[in-house]
Amino acid sequence: DGGITQSPKYLFRKEGQNVTLSCEQNLNHDAMYWYRQDPGQGLRLIYYSQIVNDFQKGDIAEGYSVSREKKESFPLTVTSAQKNPTAFYLCASSTNRANTEAFFGQGTRLTVV
Amino acid sequence: QKEVEQNSGPLSVPEGAIASLNCTYSDRGSQSFFWYRQYSGKSPELIMFIYSNGDKEDGRFTAQLNKASQYVSLLIRDSQPSDSATYLCAVKTSYDKVIFGPGTSLSVIP
Repeated sequence: DGGITQSPKYLFRKEGQNVTLSCEQNLNHDAMYWYRQDPGQGLRLIYYSQIVNDFQKGDIAEGYSVSREKKESFPLTVTSAQKNPTAFYLCASSTNRANTEAFFGQGTRLTVV
Repeated sequence: QKEVEQNSGPLSVPEGAIASLNCTYSDRGSQSFFWYRQYSGKSPELIMFIYSNGDKEDGRFTAQLNKASQYVSLLIRDSQPSDSATYLCAVKTSYDKVIFGPGTSLSVIP
């Protein structure tokens, strides 16, 4: 079945460690997005990519990094520079055509211990 | 001005009433508009989309679009407690980027 897969579902990180969240899609979508969501808050855009080998910073990119080497994959690394990384992370993808929606993965809940 | 804005809420309505959720956007060239519902701890799910001016109805949901006013709304008729969630407005801009609003929290009181 086509869709977006995020892994892991739950992730625990010690302070000072980098961690990488996986996002894979088999929908043949050009665009992919990473969002962060804190409790009771809306989605905040971290990074987005509209084409392979290109990506743009969103509203809260500091402390995060991404790569887009393949169309299907858009991993997000939460670095030690991100001071408050505990949050729910959502990956989404979309075509670059009008009148098509964004699809979401199931999310990764990251907790710093 | 933020690209997509919504009523911050929370919005509380009694069971059986009409819930009205509003959204405005800044990119006049935007073509596609979406409403997502998000339950706590879950990922957003698409419930409505609208591309043309006017109204679009799907069951208890009606989306309304006014491009001249850059305004999108979602009406939920006969609101049920199961409709209690956060509703996210999303806009696909003229440069094909999907922008989400901050969401409106809806609580339907039995």
